[in-house]
Amino acid sequence: DGGITQSPKYLFRKEGQNVTLSCEQNLNHDAMYWYRQDPGQGLRLIYYSQIVNDFQKGDIAEGYSVSREKKESFPLTVTSAQKNPTAFYLCASSIVGQGDYEQYFGPGTRLTVT
Amino acid sequence: QKEVEQNSGPLSVPEGAIASLNCTYSDRGSQSFFWYRQYSGKSPELIMSIYSNGDKEDGRFTAQLNKASQYVSLLIRDSQPSDSATYLCAVNAGTASKLTFGTGTRLQVTL
Repeated sequence: DGGITQSPKYLFRKEGQNVTLSCEQNLNHDAMYWYRQDPGQGLRLIYYSQIVNDFQKGDIAEGYSVSREKKESFPLTVTSAQKNPTAFYLCASSIVGQGDYEQYFGPGTRLTVT
Repeated sequence: QKEVEQNSGPLSVPEGAIASLNCTYSDRGSQSFFWYRQYSGKSPELIMSIYSNGDKEDGRFTAQLNKASQYVSLLIRDSQPSDSATYLCAVNAGTASKLTFGTGTRLQVTL
């Protein structure tokens, strides 16, 4: 089955701890994205990567870090510097080229920090 | 600030009626437009994409794009209770592969 997997589905952490969210895709897509969604809100872009070993900040990158060492994987680390980390985190992927930027989403990770 | 605006709703329509969801965008350079459906607690699912002015139909869904008015809409014919969800509009400005999302319109289809 082709698709995007995110793990874990639910994650609980204490304040002050860093936490890494996993995202893997087997769609052979070049681009991958991380979004955050808060209750009643739209999606806000955290980071995106259009090619291996390269990534760009999105609209709300502060307090987050990413790496893109493999085409299939784009892990997101939520650091202790992120002031309000509790949210629904969504990973997506797409092809790159000629304006066809249909993004497909994984099932998401719901992070709760107390 | 590139923005995508949607009425948050809820938009309530009776079963069998046509639901009309609207979206406006601020960046005139926008090239690609997408509609996603998101059920409560789930991730967004792509249902329609449109790239040129006019209508695009797929089953009960029709996407309409008017670049001059910076307006994109989604029509759902013969609405079913299973269509009850939040519908997100997303726009690509063409400078990179990233999308800008609206906050979504919640649709309720009543029996």
